[in-house]
Amino acid sequence: QVQLQQWGAGLLKPSETLSLTCAVYSGSFSGYYWSWIRQPPGKGLEWIGEISHRGTTNYNPSLESRVTISVDTSKSQMSLKLSSVTAADTAVYYCARVPLGRRGNDHWGQGTLVTVSS
Amino acid sequence: DIVMTQSPDSLAVSLGERATINCRSSQSILSSSSNKNVLVWYQQKPGQPPKLLIYWASTRESGVPDRFSGSGSGSDFTLTISSLQAEDVAVYYCQQYYSFPYTFGQGTKLEIK
Repeated sequence: QVQLQQWGAGLLKPSETLSLTCAVYSGSFSGYYWSWIRQPPGKGLEWIGEISHRGTTNYNPSLESRVTISVDTSKSQMSLKLSSVTAADTAVYYCARVPLGRRGNDHWGQGTLVTVSS
Repeated sequence: DIVMTQSPDSLAVSLGERATINCRSSQSILSSSSNKNVLVWYQQKPGQPPKLLIYWASTRESGVPDRFSGSGSGSDFTLTISSLQAEDVAVYYCQQYYSFPYTFGQGTKLEIK
């Protein structure tokens, strides 16, 4: 059974850089896209971006200037960095797997609450 | 960006009754290359990540009960729960995979009447 385990700092100050990592266990890393999605407390879902196992990225234009998604296939891990955070970036951040064929996110990480506060 | 609009925002249905949630996209999301509507539905329960229910507008994900079904084409889509169970209380989201950014609907909260 594929499992996605994510971790990273949960409390940041404004202007700092958010950094999260997502590791994939019990499943292939190759042949999929891997995405990041966030959800502000009590609100809906926002797609941040995705990366292929080969490193091809696609980002949400609303965040593109601040976002970097990278992959380490040797560790079956991907990472999210979001620079210059503000309170508006406070959210639960999820990593998720995307099978080929644009079939949605079929496996998700447990989510990481990141709070931005001075 | 493609805007996804769900209706209603909230819905209360009696146990055993049918629940219907609608999702409309601001443009057609029928992929010409695959001839598939690249629309997915998720279910999210409190404190949990979303769970994939339906992809390509009408294909049920493995393990999803057959009381969940998806329909529609072009820009109008529907998620139907044929006989509501207590465990179906959740927020439901649609998402388009037609073009970047892959946008979500605002969510529909489903409760028991």
